[in-house]
Amino acid sequence: EPEVTQTPSHQVTQMGQEVILRCVPISNHLYFYWYRQILGQKVEFLVSFYNNEISEKSEIFDDQFSVERPDGSNFTLKIRSTKLEDSAMYFCASSDGPNTEAFFGQGTRLTVV
Amino acid sequence: AQSVSQHNHHVILSEAASLELGCNYSYGGTVNLFWYVQYPGQHLQLLLKYFSGDPLVKGIKGFEAEFIKSKFSFNLRKPSVQWSDTAEYFCAVKPSGGRRALTFGSGTRLQVQP
Repeated sequence: EPEVTQTPSHQVTQMGQEVILRCVPISNHLYFYWYRQILGQKVEFLVSFYNNEISEKSEIFDDQFSVERPDGSNFTLKIRSTKLEDSAMYFCASSDGPNTEAFFGQGTRLTVV
Repeated sequence: AQSVSQHNHHVILSEAASLELGCNYSYGGTVNLFWYVQYPGQHLQLLLKYFSGDPLVKGIKGFEAEFIKSKFSFNLRKPSVQWSDTAEYFCAVKPSGGRRALTFGSGTRLQVQP
């Protein structure tokens, strides 16, 4: 069964450092998403991406965040200067249409120290 | 903007007990509704979804949910839970049409005791 894969599974970084979280969406999917879940809190939407541009972003997705689809398979989330409060589980998701089921990856646990 | 409320934060049941988890949403238009499950240490998996048609939808592992439009609700049910159902359950909504993303509820942690 096709799945969304994310790397790394766990990343520890120092405050102020840049991190790149990587995702490989399901191959025929066209819509890509990043969500995050701070420990003990709800899953929050960050950004959606379609046709090589951001479709929608939340207020969390400020200037320190960026997304990119550098090639035909990867979808990355970059956090430019990490803060302690960026510590969370980051989930990538993809879907084959705007109104179809989103498939989630296993997540990257980001710990900022 | 849409919002989702899950009123049960932590539910403890014995095996074979019946389950109902509440989910209410707030949005003025037509929505698509989802229940996701997150087993310990694992990713979010879709349990079931409602787009249109029969408001009673059946999902995997014996779960079902009923969309009641007048109550803006999409409660999740299972007649007899198992220990393996121990997980966190998230209700999610998105406006139908367009490219809007999912809005999740805060989740309900279900603990099933053997």
